[in-house]
Amino acid sequence: QKEVEQNSGPLSVPEGAIASLNCTYSDRVSQSFFWYRQYSGKSPELIMSIYSNGDKEDGRFTAQLNKASQYVSLLIRDSQPSDSATYLCAVSQDPYKLSFGAGTTVTVRA
Amino acid sequence: GAGVSQSPSNKVTEKGKDVELRCDPISGHTALYWYRQSLGQGLEFLIYFQGNSAPDKSGLPSDRFSAERTGGSVSTLTIQRTQQEDSAVYLCASLSGSTDTQYFGPGTRLTVL
Repeated sequence: QKEVEQNSGPLSVPEGAIASLNCTYSDRVSQSFFWYRQYSGKSPELIMSIYSNGDKEDGRFTAQLNKASQYVSLLIRDSQPSDSATYLCAVSQDPYKLSFGAGTTVTVRA
Repeated sequence: GAGVSQSPSNKVTEKGKDVELRCDPISGHTALYWYRQSLGQGLEFLIYFQGNSAPDKSGLPSDRFSAERTGGSVSTLTIQRTQQEDSAVYLCASLSGSTDTQYFGPGTRLTVL
């Protein structure tokens, strides 16, 4: 079993819709959870971090964490074509070491 | 200030040759990471350096891979006797001690013919 698994893509959504991305992790002692966005041919950039159960909102992005279910998700509201990218879920047990999922590619249709 | 820089941006080499990839982290960042990303795949952890501690080499795929970090700053990833399966984008990231955000460099695309 992979440490971090993401729902398989690609995910295609119409402009203005909600894109929902899911991630599960295997290590129960994981403490920190991150979502990175990676545009094609570019390096990953952090868009959200979450550490406690519940929701965390930042603009059009909402991260949701459920440690009991070992599940973290990312919602993108009012999706824009500029949101078209691969989204990487990352999980950390060690403060300095991240495990990444394979990523989910999102395409927002204009 | 400047972000993480990596060089070269692209490297094409022949099977069996050695290559060196360089990473210059953000000034003052104490931790430095190397990852590998194959086409369409997620990031594969290779190695990280934290301050003066011994590096965590647990992700290095074989003894052909090695890395060093001189003076707590610039790092070099060396791949000896390259193989075609080494072809990937090699990403470096650095992390500030005051946050847990890793900042990535632009990567080096390695192609082994």
